Amino acid sequence: AAGVIQSPRHLIKEKRETATLKCYPIPRHDTVYWYQQGPGQDPQFLISFYEKMQSDKGSIPDRFSAQQFSDYHSELNMSSLELGDSALYFCASSSQVSQETQYFGPGTRLLVL
Amino acid sequence: AQTVTQSQPEMSVQEAETVTLSCTYDTSESDYYLFWYKQPPSRQMILVIRQEAYKQQNATENRFSVNFQKAAKSFSLKISDSQLGDAAMYFCAYRSLNSNYQLIWGAGTKLIIKP
Repeated sequence: AAGVIQSPRHLIKEKRETATLKCYPIPRHDTVYWYQQGPGQDPQFLISFYEKMQSDKGSIPDRFSAQQFSDYHSELNMSSLELGDSALYFCASSSQVSQETQYFGPGTRLLVL
Repeated sequence: AQTVTQSQPEMSVQEAETVTLSCTYDTSESDYYLFWYKQPPSRQMILVIRQEAYKQQNATENRFSVNFQKAAKSFSLKISDSQLGDAAMYFCAYRSLNSNYQLIWGAGTKLIIKP
């Protein structure tokens, strides 16, 4: 079965640079979630979208923005990167019909130097 | 606000034996979902099992089963016939049925399988 696709899988950036992470949800899933997981920590919810509208907002820094496109893929834009942004960024998707279960992508490992 | 607590930072079990991971949560809601996710060293987040709060029957998935005690707000995961591939971080997570659909996570339990 098709899974959530995230790209890139690994990303290295310098401080103050920008980064864009992409997420392609499971086909027919209309809701996308973004989580940030630091080393040895549980995931922290950033933001979610349903039908291209922001549906929930968590601890997403003002330097970050995200959107969901007409094909339901989502992008997380990160600007003025800081060392503390180094983390694993997960995208998860769910369908409105069975919205209780979120399926996760493999994550993007971001390293800020 | 809802919270999820996993009081065991690390657990170990002999291969082929049974282990139970604990999870408690706090909520004022009556309907919600609970999940166990597994995160192996690859750091992929894998759904293990889910439980709907309105169902009294405990969920099972092959060697994985839960003991859901709604009144006690307890949601433990039992792994039978432990295998080396079960070694991972296990996260308990809560999801509201109301406006916030984000998952609320516990701190995780690292499971070590001894050969």
